[in-house]
Amino acid sequence: GEDVEQSLFLSVREGDSSVINCTYTDSSSTYLYWYKQEPGAGLQLLTYIFSNMDMKQDQRLTVLLNKKDKHLSLRIADTQTGDSAIYFCAESSGTYKYIFGTGTRLKVLA
Amino acid sequence: DAGITQSPRHKVTETGTPVTLRCHQTENHRYMYWYRQDPGHGLRLIHYSYGVKDTDKGEVSDGYSVSRSKTEDFLLTLESATSSQTSVYFCAISDSAISYEQYFGPGTRLTVT
Repeated sequence: GEDVEQSLFLSVREGDSSVINCTYTDSSSTYLYWYKQEPGAGLQLLTYIFSNMDMKQDQRLTVLLNKKDKHLSLRIADTQTGDSAIYFCAESSGTYKYIFGTGTRLKVLA
Repeated sequence: DAGITQSPRHKVTETGTPVTLRCHQTENHRYMYWYRQDPGHGLRLIHYSYGVKDTDKGEVSDGYSVSRSKTEDFLLTLESATSSQTSVYFCAISDSAISYEQYFGPGTRLTVT
């Protein structure tokens, strides 16, 4: 079945850029999403990209999509301690059902 | 933030007892979902609803049932709770026919002893 994979941990220094990676297997993926989860909270939608796009930028966030390799990345510029959280990627094949990755825990060191 | 509440926020129950979790939305969104979150598994879909009285199973539906009698409420019931159902449960809503984005509630932490 469809699968979405992410590395479990990432540690960066405050002020550096963070790059969180995600790979997926469903070639019919239409939308890909990034969510942020802070401790004890629900998931907050950060951004999403349509499969016919290569890149999307939103303030400090840049999403890159390589559809050929089924690879999605989220770059956070000027990472702050408030960015420490778990980041989930998810994909949808044009329906309301998502497949989520296992999440990447980002730790920002002061 | 989308108007989604979940109740209770925390619950401890004993094996074999029935448990009902409630999700309430004020956004009038058509789609509602129940997920469970476990370490190493991300979020997995339990059940979802595409309208009042219209529900369908997700990938981990065994041991769970749902009901939706009003647009704003989606109930998740564990008929006879087991320790394997100890988890954090999230409700989500969606209504976009363009980008299908989902918005999540704050979660319910359920412990089955």
